[in-house]
Amino acid sequence: GESVGLHLPTLSVQEGDNSIINCAYSNSASDYFIWYKQESGKGPQFIIDIRSNMDKRQGQRVTVLLNKTVKHLSLQIAATQPGDSAVYFCAEGDQTGANNLFFGTGTRLTVIP
Amino acid sequence: KAGVTQTPRYLIKTRGQQVTLSCSPISGHRSVSWYQQTPGQGLQFLFEYFSETQRNKGNFPGRFSGRQFSNSRSEMNVSTLELGDSALYLCASSLGGTENEKLFFGSGTQLSVL
Repeated sequence: GESVGLHLPTLSVQEGDNSIINCAYSNSASDYFIWYKQESGKGPQFIIDIRSNMDKRQGQRVTVLLNKTVKHLSLQIAATQPGDSAVYFCAEGDQTGANNLFFGTGTRLTVIP
Repeated sequence: KAGVTQTPRYLIKTRGQQVTLSCSPISGHRSVSWYQQTPGQGLQFLFEYFSETQRNKGNFPGRFSGRQFSNSRSEMNVSTLELGDSALYLCASSLGGTENEKLFFGSGTQLSVL
């Protein structure tokens, strides 16, 4: 089955700096990837997604980069704010197209004021 | 537009009991998925319902079951509870297309089994 892992379980950044959260996946045939943010006591909140026919996708203050050659995914957050403090999960979509996401273990981002 | 609503927010049960969790999807969403989240195993897919039918199933024992009603609302049932079933149970809804699509999660039901 798929295996999704994050490089670092924790990440601390200064307010205003850019954050980069990395993720590796194992299934080279995967064609859908998604990032979620989870704050304490809440469910995962959608941030941004990308399909395998793209290398980069931008949202508001966030950018997802997909490197299919090395099976690597990253989430970049520009000008990190205290409200960005949360656990970030990358997830990989099931090849069949089913709504079955394989989640990574998560990176806890702490923003230092 | 209201988000995904899960009830109850917290539950405490004892071993051997059964429990039913409820989920109301975003209006217009026809697919409801359930996930279990634990510190040790992370987020794991339980099953997905679409048009009142289970469309996909994860690798969980038969004690875990669910159903979906004609209004897309869904319930999840766990019978003969075990200590290891203590977890945050998350429901997610989506439009229900055949391609991977973004899921919108509720805040979850925190189940504690004593």
